[in-house]
Amino acid sequence: GAGVSQSPSNKVTEKGKDVELRCDPISGHTALYWYRQRLGQGLEFLIYFQGNSAPDKSGLPSDRFSAERTGESVSTLTIQRTQQEDSAVYLCASSLTGDAHYEQYFGPGTRLTVT
Amino acid sequence: AQSVTQLGSHVSVSEGALVLLRCNYSSSVPPYLFWYVQYPNQGLQLLLKYTSAATLVKGINGFEAEFKKSETSFHLTKPSAHMSDAAEYFCAVRDTGTASKLTFGTGTRLQVTL
Repeated sequence: GAGVSQSPSNKVTEKGKDVELRCDPISGHTALYWYRQRLGQGLEFLIYFQGNSAPDKSGLPSDRFSAERTGESVSTLTIQRTQQEDSAVYLCASSLTGDAHYEQYFGPGTRLTVT
Repeated sequence: AQSVTQLGSHVSVSEGALVLLRCNYSSSVPPYLFWYVQYPNQGLQLLLKYTSAATLVKGINGFEAEFKKSETSFHLTKPSAHMSDAAEYFCAVRDTGTASKLTFGTGTRLQVTL
């Protein structure tokens, strides 16, 4: 079946502009995660959605970052007033539920470049 | 708080040689542990995971890892490297409690030479 998909695959934006990144999870997966991967670094957790529960936003680096998810479907990550330090690959993952033993399946990522 | 340390940001081995990628973790509760591989311009793929069953875990592509609680380690090994193993490898830890996120190490880039 289809895996996690993300769009766009690449995004170049000017400093100060807003961007929206999209994630389509695997159908039936109730848990969805956003991570950020800066050049030469590991992945940093940003936000986690589980069903209709309140999201875990503990990883969002600033109030310029926000994310939404409608039910158990698509999620969008929005970065307002982008800064050069926001340049990174943004990865989305989904899993059947948020229980720790369920594998997270990752999408190919969106490479964001802020000029 | 959880953390993961991967020793060696770059490892180079000859084709056919042993691959050893090191991972140490800290966790306040029994963890689940994972190794992911990332090929260039691709997402992460799960290689193997430890979820408190057998301490020696076998994964895809001939990789395996051993959970050693006394050493808080989960090193990844493969007896014989292949050119196709060249990639970036990430170790990650996840609490077995309510926190569901993965905490990743900084990654190890594996180079395989002829």
